[in-house]
Amino acid sequence: AQSVTQLGSHVSVSEGALVLLRCNYSSSVPPYLFWYVQYPNQGLQLLLKYTSAATLVKGINGFEAEFKKSETSFHLTKPSAHMSDAAEYFCAVIQGGKLIFGQGTELSVKP
Amino acid sequence: GAGVSQSPRYKVAKRGQDVALRCDPISGHVSLFWYQQALGQGPEFLTYFQNEAQLDKSGLPSDRFFAERPEGSVSTLKIQRTQQEDSAVYLCASSLTGGNKNIQYFGAGTRLSVL
Repeated sequence: AQSVTQLGSHVSVSEGALVLLRCNYSSSVPPYLFWYVQYPNQGLQLLLKYTSAATLVKGINGFEAEFKKSETSFHLTKPSAHMSDAAEYFCAVIQGGKLIFGQGTELSVKP
Repeated sequence: GAGVSQSPRYKVAKRGQDVALRCDPISGHVSLFWYQQALGQGPEFLTYFQNEAQLDKSGLPSDRFFAERPEGSVSTLKIQRTQQEDSAVYLCASSLTGGNKNIQYFGAGTRLSVL
């Protein structure tokens, strides 16, 4: 069975600083990977997805993620954090059409 | 509609009551999914429909949970004899077709509180 692990349930950065949210996957086959963001009292919004094309995937709101097979990782980054980035972020792998999510990382942005 | 719509947004139930949660997927989306998100956790898969056919219900936690999509559009998740452990946000998602490459679009969810 496939799974994802998100390291760090809470990450805090200063406005303008680099954002790095970690995700490692476990899969016996090439995975399809996703990052979703959830703002308070809202549903999940897709940030980006990896479907075995380019290993560096660019998403919305300036986020990007790099698929590294050797490290079984799919970390999410953004060069400069904005206050509006404060939210919960979920990494997910898809198996049999259904999403399998990590536990989530809450991102706080300090002014 | 423009997005996935869920109703009600909030539901408070007394333990033992039955509840029904509604999901209106994006028009034309064939696949519909239900997920359960406990407080502080990631969403967990409950069940999946392709049109009106329920293809996977492996995530339903007990036989008190039942989902239907009779006409291949709107879906209802029903929970009978609610228990406190059923308190969670129930998320619905739809995608154009099934398969691993298709994006799932989520609704805002229904927050169920069982007292």
